[in-house]
Amino acid sequence: DTEVTQTPKHLVMGMTNKKSLKCEQHMGHRAMYWYKQKAKKPPELMFVYSYEKLSINESVPSRFSPECPNSSLLNLHLHALQPEDSALYLCASSQEGSRRETQYFGPGTRLLVL
Amino acid sequence: AQTVTQSQPEMSVQEAETVTLSCTYDTSESDYYLFWYKQPPSRQMILVIRQEAYKQQNATENRFSVNFQKAAKSFSLKISDSQLGDAAMYFCAYPNAGGTSYGKLTFGQGTILTVHP
Repeated sequence: DTEVTQTPKHLVMGMTNKKSLKCEQHMGHRAMYWYKQKAKKPPELMFVYSYEKLSINESVPSRFSPECPNSSLLNLHLHALQPEDSALYLCASSQEGSRRETQYFGPGTRLLVL
Repeated sequence: AQTVTQSQPEMSVQEAETVTLSCTYDTSESDYYLFWYKQPPSRQMILVIRQEAYKQQNATENRFSVNFQKAAKSFSLKISDSQLGDAAMYFCAYPNAGGTSYGKLTFGQGTILTVHP
């Protein structure tokens, strides 16, 4: 099973709302990633968790709050977002976070902030 | 810091023909990895092929092969016998070496490939 699942597929939220994105993998991977992708652009890394600890935070605004409750699950909590935060949010996982590893991506959550 | 450049924003190919997508990168390392990822419209990004810099031999995966020129820092992707399902955005990627961004993928800007029947 090489699948990374993400829910919801689509999300529309107002600037005062609080919502969460969920990502799950059952490949036994110990590294999980959040990316933000604008249309026709490459993904931009936001956060990396390695062995359930936050190892990289790419200076992401605090209105994005990641959480890794266990090695299979990754959440991204959203609060007081701005319209420019509208994008495709991708989750990915890899074996341990080594640079030689393939990253496996989920289908993404398409977020629209009104 | 590493940089990855894809100079072709868009490419097109006829079904069954061959197309080559370009990628150049800048690094001071001698040992590293390079990846090509494919992102079809509204579908998941998946690995196409991976190259280890210390290996002289170019990587191949079925219809996909790379032309890895280490001295020129070039890593192009050749797709043979193109199929309609190859239509996608293709990203070249370089994983960072060390420091606080270890393993972080530096992506090129991407090339949109259109396949004509």
